[in-house]
Amino acid sequence: TQLLEQSPQFLSIQEGENLTVYCNSSSVFSSLQWYRQEPGEGPVLLVTVVTGGEVKKLKRLTFQFGDARKDSSLHITAAQPGDTGLYLCAGAHTGNQFYFGTGTSLTVIP
Amino acid sequence: DAGVIQSPRHEVTEMGQEVTLRCKPISGHNSLFWYRQTMMRGLELLIYFNNNVPIDDSGMPEDRFSAKMPNASFSTLKIQPSEPRDSAVYFCASSLIAGGGETQYFGPGTRLLVL
Repeated sequence: TQLLEQSPQFLSIQEGENLTVYCNSSSVFSSLQWYRQEPGEGPVLLVTVVTGGEVKKLKRLTFQFGDARKDSSLHITAAQPGDTGLYLCAGAHTGNQFYFGTGTSLTVIP
Repeated sequence: DAGVIQSPRHEVTEMGQEVTLRCKPISGHNSLFWYRQTMMRGLELLIYFNNNVPIDDSGMPEDRFSAKMPNASFSTLKIQPSEPRDSAVYFCASSLIAGGGETQYFGPGTRLLVL
C-alpha cells in the first residue's frame, strides 16, 4: 500500500528553470524526510521536517511541511544538471519506521 | 568513516537457487532496515531491527524471505527459493533509534537478477 503519492512522476526541465515536487498523503506523519537518489546508489537524506507549516531551505532547495502534516513540497530554484536524480519523500508515524513515496525522477538538461 | 556496506553488489542466479544478501551497518547504529526497490513498486520496507531484534517484518513478501541479525554489526537477507519476480535492488540502511525521525544511511544496494 502506497501511503505517499508524489507528483509529477517524471520531470524534464532546462537548466535554470524552477520546479516543485509534491508529496501527498491522507495520513498524518510525525516527521517527513526528503531523499535524493542517484543512479546506482542508495538514497541520501536531504532534510527532515517535523513541525506543521515548517519551511527549511538548503541552498536552492526549499522544503515545506503542510500545516496538517499530511503533505510536503520540494521547490528547486534555478535547477542545475547536478540536481538530476530520483527524489523520494518518506513519512514516519512513530519511531523511525519510514514509508517511502512513489518518487519523482528529475532530469535537468544543460 | 565507512558507510553501510552491502555484499554482493550484483547477483545473478537461476530460479530456485538460494540467495543471501549481506549488510554491515554503520558502527554505533542500533536500527537496521532492509528495503527492496523496483520500478513498479518503488522503495518498499521489508523488515527492520532495533538492537538486533526484528520489530516489524510485515513487509516481507512471503515465507521464502527471511532476515537475521545475529549481532550489531551484521545482518543477512535470504531468499529461498528465489523466483524471477524477486529481481530488484535490495538496500540495507542503518540509523540511530533515538527519538524517531532519525537519518537513515543507505548502502549502495545489491542488484539481484533471478533468471
